[in-house]
Parts: sequence; C-alpha cells; structure tokens
Amino acid sequence: DQQVKQNSPSLSVQEGRISILNCDYTNSMFDYFLWYKKYPAEGPTFLISISSIKDKNEDGRFTVFLNKSAKHLSLHIVPSQPGDSAVYFCAASLYSGTYKYIFGTGTRLKVLA
Amino acid sequence: DAGITQSPRHKVTETGTPVTLRCHQTENHRYMYWYRQDPGHGLRLIHYSYGVKDTDKGEVSDGYSVSRSKTEDFLLTLESATSSQTSVYFCAISDPTGNTIYFGEGSWLTVV
Repeated sequence: DQQVKQNSPSLSVQEGRISILNCDYTNSMFDYFLWYKKYPAEGPTFLISISSIKDKNEDGRFTVFLNKSAKHLSLHIVPSQPGDSAVYFCAASLYSGTYKYIFGTGTRLKVLA
Repeated sequence: DAGITQSPRHKVTETGTPVTLRCHQTENHRYMYWYRQDPGHGLRLIHYSYGVKDTDKGEVSDGYSVSRSKTEDFLLTLESATSSQTSVYFCAISDPTGNTIYFGEGSWLTVV
C-alpha cells in the first residue's frame, strides 16, 4: 500500500520558469510533509517541510503547498535553475510511538538551459 | 552536513555471504533508520531504532537484521546476501520533532 505517491516519474522545465512537483498521500494522520533533493551518487538532502496544520511554507525559491482536503502537496521552484536538476522525493512523517518517514518513488526534474 | 558516516561506501560480495553495513552519527540523535533505494520504489524503510537496543522492523525487513549497542552506531546485517539485496543503502537520523530526517551518503552493495 503506497501511502505517499509521486505519479510523475519525470519532468522537464525551461530555465527560469516554474517547476511544480506533485505528491499525493492517503493517510490523514501524517504530521509533517517533507521534500528532498537527490543528486546521483549522493544521499538525499532536505529541502523544505510543512506541518500538517499549515497550508504553505516558503524558503527562498522553494514553496510547498498543502491541500489537506485533496490529500495533495506540491513543491514549487521559482525560478528553476540547471543546478535544480535532480530526483525529488516527497515524504511524510507519522508518529506511532516513534517517528517513521514514508517516501514516494521520486520525480526526476530536468531543467533545460 | 548531518554528521553521518556510512561504511563501507562500496562493496561487492558473493551470494550467501554475510555483510554488515555500519552507520555512525555524531549528532547524538535518538532515532536512526536504514533505507534502501531501488528504481521504481523510491526509499523503503528496512529497520529503525528509537534508542540503544530498541529496534523495530520497517516495510522491507526480510533478510535483514540490525543492532544498536551505542547511541552513535547502527549496524545493518545481511545474514546471507542474495542478488535481490543489490541496492543502495542509506542510513538516516532524526530528532524527536518529526519534521526532518537527515541521510548519510549511501552504501552501494552489489551481490553477485
């Protein structure tokens, strides 16, 4: 049962334009939602998170939107840069005595110069 | 840099041999995790630990065992490696807030 889903395996965007990465989830008990960026041969690095009680969080070029009624979140990158080309993972944390983090399958973003 | 060191970073082993991957953290975080990353599956949780000697299974724990005898070290053992365990393994740590998890650089394991 995939509780966190990223339905788009890949996305290509022109440099300077907006990149929108999407994520859907099924469990309404998730506490936080997180986005990670991963370059080849490196570990995932934390980008931004949002609490389940918020609907927006912004950090520089990165903004995450949470739509609880639709169980959907999105990551907006504006403006997109070639260095943003990577695999992006959506994740959610769930507390049941300890925190567990559940990840989506990832979306490969390619920013074209 | 989250202060996580994984070793070995790369290993090739034969089917049926035991393999141990080590994760060492310098952040004194209580929670530690082992994930594997495979194409089409993203990051899947193998085992996790919520304190010294306190561990539990994740979604893909079959064929793996873990141990945590010190706060800073979390070991993942493949008792008898199989080709299906060829993967990239990531150790991770988190604090009690639940809003961030930090990853090591990964261990590439090939079972031939």
